[in-house]
Amino acid sequence: GENVEQHPSTLSVQEGDSAVIKCTYSDSASNYFPWYKQELGKRPQLIIDIRSNVGEKKDQRIAVTLNKTAKHFSLHITETQPEDSAVYFCAARIQSGNTPLVFGKGTRLSVIA
Amino acid sequence: EPEVTQTPSHQVTQMGQEVILRCVPISNHLYFYWYRQILGQKVEFLVSFYNNEISEKSEIFDDQFSVERPDGSNFTLKIRSTKLEDSAMYFCASSNEGGEPQHFGDGTRLSIL
Repeated sequence: GENVEQHPSTLSVQEGDSAVIKCTYSDSASNYFPWYKQELGKRPQLIIDIRSNVGEKKDQRIAVTLNKTAKHFSLHITETQPEDSAVYFCAARIQSGNTPLVFGKGTRLSVIA
Repeated sequence: EPEVTQTPSHQVTQMGQEVILRCVPISNHLYFYWYRQILGQKVEFLVSFYNNEISEKSEIFDDQFSVERPDGSNFTLKIRSTKLEDSAMYFCASSNEGGEPQHFGDGTRLSIL
């Protein structure tokens, strides 16, 4: 089955700097890659997603890139703010019916003011 | 914006007791999921449900677990005889036709004593 690896497990950046979180996946059939942000004690919230027919997607300060050949995808957050501090999870799934998401282990991002 | 709602927010139960976790998916969604997250760990898939039957289940979802959609709105997860290791946050999610994105509820924190 699918296996998603995520790095780093923790990341501290100064406010205003950029943060990059990387994930790799194992199943080449996976073709949908969402990123979720989870604040302490709260639900995972979808912040951006990308499908395998696209190499990059951007939404304001957040961008995701996908390299299908290498089977990795990355989350980029620019101009970080303290409210970006949270745990970020990448996930992968095969885009069919209700196949489940397979999550990475998460990255705890701390933005230091 | 419509949300997935889950009740209760916190459930404390003695080991060996049955517990039912409740979810109301987003009204026009067709696919339903249960995930769990042990404290500090990644989100893990339990089961997916479509057209009144289980579509997929993970190794975690053993004979002690069952799901049901008793009416047109609720989606429940039952654990028959809880174990200490069942202590976790349980998230319900739903998605529309196409299976994405998956929207998560706020979760039920299950504590087994």
